Amino acid sequence: DTAVSQTPKYLVTQMGNDKSIKCEQNLGHDTMYWYKQDSKKFLKIMFSYNNKELIINETVPNRFSPKSPDKAHLNLHINSLELGDSAVYFCASSPHRNEQFFGPGTRLTVL
Amino acid sequence: GNSVTQMEGPVTLSEEAFLTINCTYTATGYPSLFWYVQYPGEGLQLLLKATKADDKGSNKGFEATYRKETTSFHLEKGSVQVSDSAVYFCARREMGGSEKLVFGKGMKLTVNP
Repeated sequence: DTAVSQTPKYLVTQMGNDKSIKCEQNLGHDTMYWYKQDSKKFLKIMFSYNNKELIINETVPNRFSPKSPDKAHLNLHINSLELGDSAVYFCASSPHRNEQFFGPGTRLTVL
Repeated sequence: GNSVTQMEGPVTLSEEAFLTINCTYTATGYPSLFWYVQYPGEGLQLLLKATKADDKGSNKGFEATYRKETTSFHLEKGSVQVSDSAVYFCARREMGGSEKLVFGKGMKLTVNP
């Protein structure tokens, strides 16, 4: 009965690799998000999709590409990983103009 | 810059102590305000919210009142427990129909028995 789930929970990879993080929500929400939390716990939005349409795209390198195959999924693909990409990435979802529900996070470590 | 400013901590309290975490925001209107909590190793959970001036959000013994005159949304709890140890984030929703939340930098609270 998980509400917002992410896979994998941990991801360790080498610089230069390409990796994906998957997110699924079973709450029937219209809007999904990706956030990045740095080592100091600072949380910043990266992207938001509403009904598979991109509505928020913060200043994020082009190496990051979100994909929403349907309303319940928002995946994050990262090309040419860099050391600075190491962080915890959180997916979230919300019904229209309401509070956001967060996934458990994916800890990405780039070596 | 960030339009939500909160105490950064870290803060360590003894069990049953009184807790206040200050949060102020900048806005041209009346944004919805939130407190989220992140327990160790977990994602963020909504703790409480307020959508208009003078609203008081409350949950699990925590309270925060939306103060328009001071543009503040301070979080308080009268008697903290060890299980309250977590990182607390103040947030506001962007104006203009956006779903975007802007978060403060988070404050780590440790409660010792």
